[in-house]
Amino acid sequence: GIQVEQSPPDLILQEGANSTLRCNFSDSVNNLQWFHQNPWGQLINLFYIPSGTKQNGRLSATTVATERYSLLYISSSQTTDSGVYFCAVEGYGGATNKLIFGTGTLLAVQP
Amino acid sequence: KAGVTQTPRYLIKTRGQQVTLSCSPISGHRSVSWYQQTPGQGLQFLFEYFSETQRNKGNFPGRFSGRQFSNSRSEMNVSTLELGDSALYLCASSSGVRPSYQETQYFGPGTRLLVL
Repeated sequence: GIQVEQSPPDLILQEGANSTLRCNFSDSVNNLQWFHQNPWGQLINLFYIPSGTKQNGRLSATTVATERYSLLYISSSQTTDSGVYFCAVEGYGGATNKLIFGTGTLLAVQP
Repeated sequence: KAGVTQTPRYLIKTRGQQVTLSCSPISGHRSVSWYQQTPGQGLQFLFEYFSETQRNKGNFPGRFSGRQFSNSRSEMNVSTLELGDSALYLCASSSGVRPSYQETQYFGPGTRLLVL
């Protein structure tokens, strides 16, 4: 099956800094989503982005499907950005609504 | 619209018992998927229901089962609990109408299960 790798595994930032999180996947995908899991466990959708670039406030994401990677950019980070960021994909011909998650990037933003 | 709701939020059980978790999807959504999250295995797909039928199943033993009702609410059941079943169980809903790769899944807050 598809393998999803995320890097870095951990990241510590000072408030106001920028960061880039990476997601590599081993095969072509139909669906790619970025999620933020807060300290209480809630998974919150950030982007649905199987290809192209999207922006939402301080966050933006780019997926280069032909090269099998996606990037999540966080600018001017805030302490509320802390948590775990997951990339999840769904492969061609795969089971419907079966997301395969990466291992996540744990982000800590210090004041 | 109200989001995905899950009950209970926390649960403590002992080995050998069984447990039932509930998930109410976003109004109008017909697809409900369940995931298990553990520190060791990460987030893993359990199964997906659409219009009261299980469409897909992950690689979990038969002790894990589920069902979906006509109002799209879903339950999952774990029988003969083991210590390793301690996890955060998340459900996600989507409309299920379009091909899944064209839509976003929305997750509930999860149920934290501790097996002693």
